[in-house]
Amino acid sequence: AQKVTQAQTEISVVEKEDVTLDCVYETRDTTYYLFWYKQPPSGELVFLIRRNSFDEQNEISGRYSWNFQKSTSSFNFTITASQVVDSAVYFCALRRYGQNFVFGPGTRLSVLP
Amino acid sequence: EAGVAQSPRYKIIEKRQSVAFWCNPISGHATLYWYQQILGQGPKLLIQFQNNGVVDDSQLPKDRFSAERLKGVDSTLKIQPAKLEDSAVYLCASSSVLASEGQYFGPGTRLTVT
Repeated sequence: AQKVTQAQTEISVVEKEDVTLDCVYETRDTTYYLFWYKQPPSGELVFLIRRNSFDEQNEISGRYSWNFQKSTSSFNFTITASQVVDSAVYFCALRRYGQNFVFGPGTRLSVLP
Repeated sequence: EAGVAQSPRYKIIEKRQSVAFWCNPISGHATLYWYQQILGQGPKLLIQFQNNGVVDDSQLPKDRFSAERLKGVDSTLKIQPAKLEDSAVYLCASSSVLASEGQYFGPGTRLTVT
């Protein structure tokens, strides 16, 4: 069975601090895809990144970076120099090839000015 | 490119009433999803369509929920009769058929059942 765990329910940081959101997944498949979504207070889920199971290269996009480690089944998300606008709920999701998405419970990030 | 459209944005009904939600996916996206998101939880898939066929409706409470996507484009999700526990945000999303592609979500419909 597939499962996505986000152990951090809520995180609070002060603006400009770095913060890492953890995501651990379970799957028996060798081909799968991992995603991060952001859900700001407005409610709309925003797609941030996808990563396939064969690509373990880390990725950086501006202040965002992602660390994918197959050995520990983790796909962690780091925000560098956080800003108030980063305050949102962040969801990690897993998709097996040809199957639907399984979402984690989410981590609520509050960035305080 | 236009995003996923949903209406209405908000709906308040009494229990035992019926309600319907509408979704228009991104043009060209063959796959459409309906999710239920209860406050403080991640989205839970209710039903997935590919074109106008159902791929997965294993978590759809079929005694009260129904969904259709007659022409492979727009979709409607209906609840009849509603219960208090149906209070949630109902999210529609679409994606291409490629497993590598992410989903794109609409703004959601916030349903309150009193």
